[in-house]
Amino acid sequence: SQTIHQWPATLVQPVGSPLSLECTVEGTSNPNLYWYRQAAGRGLQLLFYSVGIGQISSEVPQNLSASRPQDRQFILSSKKLLLSDSGFYLCAWSPQGAQPQHFGDGTRLSIL
Amino acid sequence: QKEVEQNSGPLSVPEGAIASLNCTYSDRGSQSFFWYRQYSGKSPELIMFIYSNGDKEDGRFTAQLNKASQYVSLLIRDSQPSDSATYLCAVNNAGNMLTFGGGTRLMVKP
Repeated sequence: SQTIHQWPATLVQPVGSPLSLECTVEGTSNPNLYWYRQAAGRGLQLLFYSVGIGQISSEVPQNLSASRPQDRQFILSSKKLLLSDSGFYLCAWSPQGAQPQHFGDGTRLSIL
Repeated sequence: QKEVEQNSGPLSVPEGAIASLNCTYSDRGSQSFFWYRQYSGKSPELIMFIYSNGDKEDGRFTAQLNKASQYVSLLIRDSQPSDSATYLCAVNNAGNMLTFGGGTRLMVKP
């Protein structure tokens, strides 16, 4: 069966520091991969999605970036974090050309 | 802009009652509809999906879809305190993307 791993579970970072969140999927090939952010008490905002290695689409302008160096690995990065980057970051995957999406356990990011 | 609307709640029901959660969407081209359950502090978990007009039942859960009226609902029968969570409605759009509603918080009181 397919599993998705996301780490770390929680992260506290100072303003202006860099960020790297990693997500990996097991048990499937060539998945669609997604990064979402959920602000406290709010819905899910799609940040990035990828349909293949090196293929990244951005949904909203921001100081975050994403990369997909391997088929089942998706990385969310920032060079300099802002206070507004705080939130619950969720990685998700879906089969190519199909739904639904399945979520990892998420990373709760607090910026001080 | 494609939108998915849900009443934020909280929706409070007594234990054993039927909880009815509703969702409307704006994109008439949407074909796939999903319900996720999210416990506080946790990630969303898929509980139901529906593609065709009508009802789809899975245990205590029933998803209902009316494409003409552009709404989808989730019924939870015999509600339990463990059903207390936020329920997210998601609707597909172009390119296998999902648009999520803001969620309805359900509280089941013993």
